Amino acid sequence: DIVMTQTPLSSPVTLGQPASISCRSSQSLLHSDGSTYLSWLQQRPGQPPRLLMYKISNRLSGVPDRFSGSGAGTDFTLKISRVEAEDVGVYYCMQATRFPSTFGQGTKLEIK
Amino acid sequence: EVQLGESGGGLVQPGGSLRLSCAVSGFTVSDYYMTWVRQAPGKGLEWVSVIFRGGSTYYGDSVKGRFTISRDNSKNTLYLQMDSLRSEDTAVYFCARATATTRSLDYWGQGTLVTVSS
Repeated sequence: DIVMTQTPLSSPVTLGQPASISCRSSQSLLHSDGSTYLSWLQQRPGQPPRLLMYKISNRLSGVPDRFSGSGAGTDFTLKISRVEAEDVGVYYCMQATRFPSTFGQGTKLEIK
Repeated sequence: EVQLGESGGGLVQPGGSLRLSCAVSGFTVSDYYMTWVRQAPGKGLEWVSVIFRGGSTYYGDSVKGRFTISRDNSKNTLYLQMDSLRSEDTAVYFCARATATTRSLDYWGQGTLVTVSS
């Protein structure tokens, strides 16, 4: 199975400042069909997860443009250009290039 | 409007069985990759199982051979049959859907809690 490793596991950030989360996979996530099935999800306290980004860098409708995704192969990054209070929660990367799909351990974003 | 609603959770003894249901509306289960994801108390997300549009299935290593995913197209409902339950299966179980083109989980239910304990 593909192992997804996120860093950091906790990220205290000042409001208005940027934040960055890294996700590394144990194998390339490039599928033979040319797509890379790497997505990012946000889970606010007491809520189910919410999809933010799919196929590395595609923002779901309604997701603020301060969120951006990048990367290729085995290394991926989620960036928040200016953190707002509503961004507090746990962020997960997930791969679906090879089944079983796997999640990263989660990165807890909190306000300093 | 797309909605997913899980039911069937509860308290069960180790070695017991439970069947979870996920009733959906606003789309057809057979048109999507329907997935179960679980979250143990205070822990991260764990992918459990998927049923593809054609009916083939995949399972995570921790549940393979014990859990069975299925769907009833006439009821537009997804199921997870859980047998030989262990304490480590205690979690909130979410159902979610993914499109074949993105393979990303774009809609989720609220989850149902399964507690395995004597």
